[in-house]
Amino acid sequence: EPEVTQTPSHQVTQMGQEVILRCVPISNHLYFYWYRQILGQKVEFLVSFYNNEISEKSEIFDDQFSVERPDGSNFTLKIRSTKLEDSAMYFCASSGLAGGSYSYNEQFFGPGTRLTVL
Amino acid sequence: AQRVTQPEKLLSVFKGAPVELKCNYSYSGSPELFWYVQYSRQRLQLLLRHISRESIKGFTADLNKGETSFHLKKPFAQEEDSAMYYCALSPYSSASKIIFGSGTRLSIRP
Repeated sequence: EPEVTQTPSHQVTQMGQEVILRCVPISNHLYFYWYRQILGQKVEFLVSFYNNEISEKSEIFDDQFSVERPDGSNFTLKIRSTKLEDSAMYFCASSGLAGGSYSYNEQFFGPGTRLTVL
Repeated sequence: AQRVTQPEKLLSVFKGAPVELKCNYSYSGSPELFWYVQYSRQRLQLLLRHISRESIKGFTADLNKGETSFHLKKPFAQEEDSAMYYCALSPYSSASKIIFGSGTRLSIRP
């Protein structure tokens, strides 16, 4: 069964450094998402991406964040200058075309990348 | 405001006992409601959604629009049900963000 994959599983970085988190969505999916979960808190939506552009973003997704689909398979989240409070688990998700019996299109999640900012 | 509330951080029940995980939501429109589950060392996965009215792994959830609740129930808990359960909503149809609750850790005692 196809799965969303994420690399690396754990990233440690110094405050102020740039990090790129990588995701490979399920191959025939068209919608891509990033979420994060700070330790002990809820999973929070960051951004959704469709047709090579951001379709929605949250207040968390400020100018320090960017997303890109550099090729046909990868979907990346870049944090330009990391802060201590960026330490969290980052989840990528993807979904296909809506259709069938349900209006909601199930999002499939990756295993997450744990980002630790020192 | 769009919000999902799960009042219990931890719920511990004996094997064979009934389980009810509570979820209330706040949303002005008609959202789609879901339960996601995360077993130990596994990824988040969709357990069930209100629109499908399915029973998955013996779990059911009924959307009560009057009480804005979507509680998850199972009549007889099994040890393999131990996991983190997240209630969630999606404000729109099709491709849209998911708003998660804070999660309830369900622990089934043998």
